[in-house]
Amino acid sequence: KAGVTQTPRYLIKTRGQQVTLSCSPISGHRSVSWYQQTPGQGLQFLFEYFSETQRNKGNFPGRFSGRQFSNSRSEMNVSTLELGDSALYLCASSLGQGASGYTFGSGTRLTVV
Amino acid sequence: SQQGEEDPQALSIQEGENATMNCSYKTSINNLQWYRQNSGRGLVHLILIRSNEREKHSGRLRVTLDTSKKSSSLLITASRAADTASYFCAVSGNTPLVFGKGTRLSVIA
Repeated sequence: KAGVTQTPRYLIKTRGQQVTLSCSPISGHRSVSWYQQTPGQGLQFLFEYFSETQRNKGNFPGRFSGRQFSNSRSEMNVSTLELGDSALYLCASSLGQGASGYTFGSGTRLTVV
Repeated sequence: SQQGEEDPQALSIQEGENATMNCSYKTSINNLQWYRQNSGRGLVHLILIRSNEREKHSGRLRVTLDTSKKSSSLLITASRAADTASYFCAVSGNTPLVFGKGTRLSVIA
């Protein structure tokens, strides 16, 4: 079966712009979680969605938002980009909240200049 | 915080040796999971051990869980150069899966 697909793989944006990242989970997985990974902070939890509802949100400013569609695909949006938003953004899908292992996508490498 | 903390931060061994990584956490958990990440890529799920299990095996991997000490260990036997990666533990309870900062394993051929 197809894995978790994240698009785009690489992105370069300018400070102040906004960006939308996409994640298509494994077929049948209704839970999608997003993480930000940086060398200094490690893997930080952004959001978790299940059946189009945001179940949990990490400690990130309101510039970070997300949503999930009826087909379980998810998007995250970052507005008013800052240099510190440069990171690897990882999406993971699973059957439910931590009860099974997560399957991660390859990530989107965002660089803000 | 429910976050797992891996130890050591970095580990360098010769091919063929065993590698042991440890994870400690602070709260009660439903399960604990180990993941591997090759440089700049997504994480790969290795093994999940439930809170009522004490040991689990998968190929060359052996995971133990001691809920009384709130700790887990990952043992990779007969390591190979291809095992070079970062390894993360993640604890699952009543909050989303939270990852530690990882152990960077280097296996030298």
